This record gives sequence, structure tokens and C-alpha cells, in this order.
Amino acid sequence: GAGVSQSPSNKVTEKGKDVELRCDPISGHTALYWYRQRLGQGLEFLIYFQGNSAPDKSGLPSDRFSAERTGESVSTLTIQRTQQEDSAVYLCASSLAAGNYGYTFGSGTRLTVV
Amino acid sequence: AQSVTQPDIHITVSEGASLELRCNYSYGATPYLFWYVQSPGQGLQLLLKYFSGDTLVQGIKGFEAEFKRSQSSFNLRKPSVHWSDAAEYFCAVVGDDKIIFGKGTRLHILP
Repeated sequence: GAGVSQSPSNKVTEKGKDVELRCDPISGHTALYWYRQRLGQGLEFLIYFQGNSAPDKSGLPSDRFSAERTGESVSTLTIQRTQQEDSAVYLCASSLAAGNYGYTFGSGTRLTVV
Repeated sequence: AQSVTQPDIHITVSEGASLELRCNYSYGATPYLFWYVQSPGQGLQLLLKYFSGDTLVQGIKGFEAEFKRSQSSFNLRKPSVHWSDAAEYFCAVVGDDKIIFGKGTRLHILP
């Protein structure tokens, strides 16, 4: 597609429920990144995928967070047993490859845990 | 580990005044540095980047930044701000094959 697409744009969920956030990168971009932006905070790195290599999961805050990517296309970020502190905007970005830092960001998913 | 520090959480300037947003980085070698802007309700947009070469980098919207290795700084400047520049600004550095962001500086513009 023309840009990075994220869905849903907004998600309200009850504490304890699982949520899935989706990211569609730009076609041909082999690297995909997830970041979290809490209210008034910077962007925290969560995870990144590069082609078929093992993902860099070093930023995932707990084992309730996981992500998958099918080949070089769609990625889903899953948060299990959501907590109120998970409320944030989750941003996805893609680039041509790891080492190419021309990131294109999606508009994000605003997650609210009530 | 690589990191960036933006010492100012909020900055307020009058429209037409000059602007400087501070950024300090922590990195052993020559860093790759960026400034991004995030306007209310909008996504992140790259203003400019420094990889090598001329230490004064020109970006979009009239912004520039200067890389100073001796001070580990990459400050963002604009000679005359416009009301539309009100936004959150993020300095960032590459570390471990990914971009690491600072906590941001929110710019407020007085009419």
C-alpha cells in the first residue's frame, strides 16, 4: 500500500481482556517496528522484525506482550490480560530493511484499558 | 546503550521568535541522528537526519540542526517560528539496528 496502515485506530477494552493490534507495512519493506507511546511520553521500542530473521524482542515490557509477522507482510501485536498501564498509542513503522532508517510510521492504535 | 536526552519537556516561544530545542546523545561512535515532529492527532514526520558529512543539516519546514561531537549534541533550530510549528518534537539516535527516541519536547507558540 501507499503507507503504513494500522487497525483499529481506536480500541477500548476491559481490564483482563486480550487485544490484537494490526499493522500493514508498505509493500516491499522488509523491516517492521512496533513502538509504544504513553501519554506525555516518548516512543518506547517494543519489537522489530527483519525478513525471516529472529525478531528483536528486547523492548517487550512483559510476557503478556507478543508479536508475530507473516513473511514480510502483516504484523499483529497481542497484549494478553490487559492492564490499565497498557493504555497508550501503539505505533508501527516499516523501512526497506534493517539498517535503512527511512522509517514510515502509521497513524497508530490508541488503546484504552478501562 | 545508546540513548538521547531532551532536557526540556516544554518550551514556549512567541510567534516570529527564534527557536532552539536541545538534544544530547550517548553513543560511542559516529551516531545516526534524527529529529521528528508529531503534530496533534497526526503521525510522526521526519524533519531531518544526520549520518555523516556536513555537521549543519537542513530539514523541512525551515528547520536545521547542528551536530557537535564535542558536546554530544544535536540541537534543532528555526530562525522564526510559526503558529503551525506547535507540536511535539523528538530527537532520536540509531542503536542496535533500530531508532531510539527521546522523551520529546512540547513546543507551545504564543500569538
